[in-house]
Amino acid sequence: DAKTTQPPSMDCAEGRAANLPCNHSTISGNEYVYWYRQIHSQGPQYIIHGLKNNETNEMASLIITEDRKSSTLILPHATLRDTAVYYCIVRVPSGGSYIPTFGRGTSLIVHP
Amino acid sequence: SAVISQKPSRDICQRGTSLTIQCQVDSQVTMMFWYRQQPGQSLTLIATANQGSEATYESGFVIDKFPISRPNLTFSTLTVSNMSPEDSSIYLCSVERYTGELFFGEGSRLTVL
Repeated sequence: DAKTTQPPSMDCAEGRAANLPCNHSTISGNEYVYWYRQIHSQGPQYIIHGLKNNETNEMASLIITEDRKSSTLILPHATLRDTAVYYCIVRVPSGGSYIPTFGRGTSLIVHP
Repeated sequence: SAVISQKPSRDICQRGTSLTIQCQVDSQVTMMFWYRQQPGQSLTLIATANQGSEATYESGFVIDKFPISRPNLTFSTLTVSNMSPEDSSIYLCSVERYTGELFFGEGSRLTVL
């Protein structure tokens, strides 16, 4: 049970912004939202995370709705190298701990 | 960030044999995880590797099949025992930074014939 819902696939034109949505309607008040991406045949790569405020770093921006039930990862100027599977993660309780659980993610294809 | 080295990067094994995958981190970390990624699928958590004690396994994974060791804060091993073709997957070691981000090794791609 990943606790997140993402569209299975999206596409974007090179140079345009890619907006990747994630629904996490059961998120609790102190849980962070983490985003990762996995380029084919590589290990997942951390992108960004947030709690309630919008966040920006050199890779992306993260917009979290006020009720925290959903978020959007924004790649402001997508390149061909951004083609990857993007995962939105919240932690799931398991055996007394909260563990990072991956859903199916969104396969983003950036085309010329 | 943490630098994670996994060995082997890939292997082809015979049915019924066992393979041990090593994960070395360049800094001390609290949390280490082992994931499996079957072809075309997302990542599934196998277990949390606990330093000095038995690993915590997720539903569907058992110690006899996937014994895990973690003798210190920078090293862990995962063994895939008595392999069958269904065990063909990428196995990934992951560590957690104190702020919660995960860092992953490049994975060990296992093919069982």
